[in-house]
Amino acid sequence: QKEVEQDPGPLSVPEGAIVSLNCTYSNSAFQYFMWYRQYSRKGPELLMYTYSSGNKEDGRFTAQVDKSSKYISLFIRDSQPSDSATYLCALGGSTLGRLYFGRGTQLTVWP
Amino acid sequence: DTGVSQNPRHKITKRGQNVTFRCDPISEHNRLYWYRQTLGQGPEFLTYFQNEAQLEKSRLLSDRFSAERPKGSFSTLEIQRTEQGDSAMYLCASVGIGTEAFFGQGTRLTVV
Repeated sequence: QKEVEQDPGPLSVPEGAIVSLNCTYSNSAFQYFMWYRQYSRKGPELLMYTYSSGNKEDGRFTAQVDKSSKYISLFIRDSQPSDSATYLCALGGSTLGRLYFGRGTQLTVWP
Repeated sequence: DTGVSQNPRHKITKRGQNVTFRCDPISEHNRLYWYRQTLGQGPEFLTYFQNEAQLEKSRLLSDRFSAERPKGSFSTLEIQRTEQGDSAMYLCASVGIGTEAFFGQGTRLTVV
């Protein structure tokens, strides 16, 4: 069993839809919970990160962490075609650099 | 450009050849990480440096792989006697004090 599980999709939604992406994990020692966006043939770029359970909102993006269930989510409201990318969850223990990634969910938002 | 820079962006090599990649991190960041990403998978940790010291190596880093970070600035990752299974995107990330990991654009290696 991998430390971080993420459904690879693909996920295809119409413009304006609400998108829900999620990951589960097994190691309760994880303290940092991140979402990276990766466009084709590019490096990952950080969207959001949280340190604790609860919600964090940034514009159209909301990250949720439920440590008791070992479950993290990313919601995208009013999705746009420019949101089409692969979304990677990443979890960290004591540092922000040593990360355990999910395999990524490929999202397509069509106009 | 003050981001993480990786060179080359693409490398095609014949099986058995040696290749070297370079990463220039964000200048004030003291930690540097190497990851490998294969098609359809998330990045997997290879090794990390704090300043010039290599502090952790993954079991993925076989004897054919070596990484250096002289003087705690840029880093190089060398793969000797490349194999087709080494084909992947090699990503570098730099982390400063209290910052998240910033990734470079990666070096895509194809071994033919």
